[in-house]
Amino acid sequence: DTAVSQTPKYLVTQMGNDKSIKCEQNLGHDTMYWYKQDSKKFLKIMFSYNNKELIINETVPNRFSPKSPDKAHLNLHINSLELGDSAVYFCASSPRLGGRWSYFGPGTRLTVT
Amino acid sequence: DAKTTQPTSMDCAEGRAANLPCNHSTISGNEYVYWYRQIHSQGPQYIIHGLKNNETNEMASLIITEDRKSSTLILPHATLRDTAVYYCIVRVESGNLIFGKGTKLSVKP
Repeated sequence: DTAVSQTPKYLVTQMGNDKSIKCEQNLGHDTMYWYKQDSKKFLKIMFSYNNKELIINETVPNRFSPKSPDKAHLNLHINSLELGDSAVYFCASSPRLGGRWSYFGPGTRLTVT
Repeated sequence: DAKTTQPTSMDCAEGRAANLPCNHSTISGNEYVYWYRQIHSQGPQYIIHGLKNNETNEMASLIITEDRKSSTLILPHATLRDTAVYYCIVRVESGNLIFGKGTKLSVKP
């Protein structure tokens, strides 16, 4: 009964490929997020989704696109992967926009070779 | 700019209280102080938050100074499993948490 789950846990792929990371939350939360943690361990917000609508899009390349088929899911699609995309990506959710009581998933370690 | 300053690292003996300081001298009147932690290779975990008053829950206590320019997270009886990076967060943009560098707490036997 994991609150926020992500798949896959590890993803190794080559430059130029397109890949997706899936995220699901069973908490009934209205807001979901994607964060990126780079090799220096800085954790940065990428996207927020509230009630299936993108409400904030940080300055990330448009190769990254979040897609939410329903309130419980927020998937991250990445096109034309680059070496610099290698990082750990965390999905999170919270009851409402505001970041309080955010629950984070276990992370997906993406390695681009 | 995370608006918070934390020591890079701290050590604590197992069973003792761990006191993690955070400076947030530019905090505005309606900004909350949040604490999260990240245990190695896991996602960040919410610990506690507060506005003005001291707060306590099953995980920790949060002491906020009267001028709100600093706060201290207290783990009353640290265990080895409390070894983690602890983030003090004040800045919330459009509802999103802005993480700083955090304090790496090492609990030693």
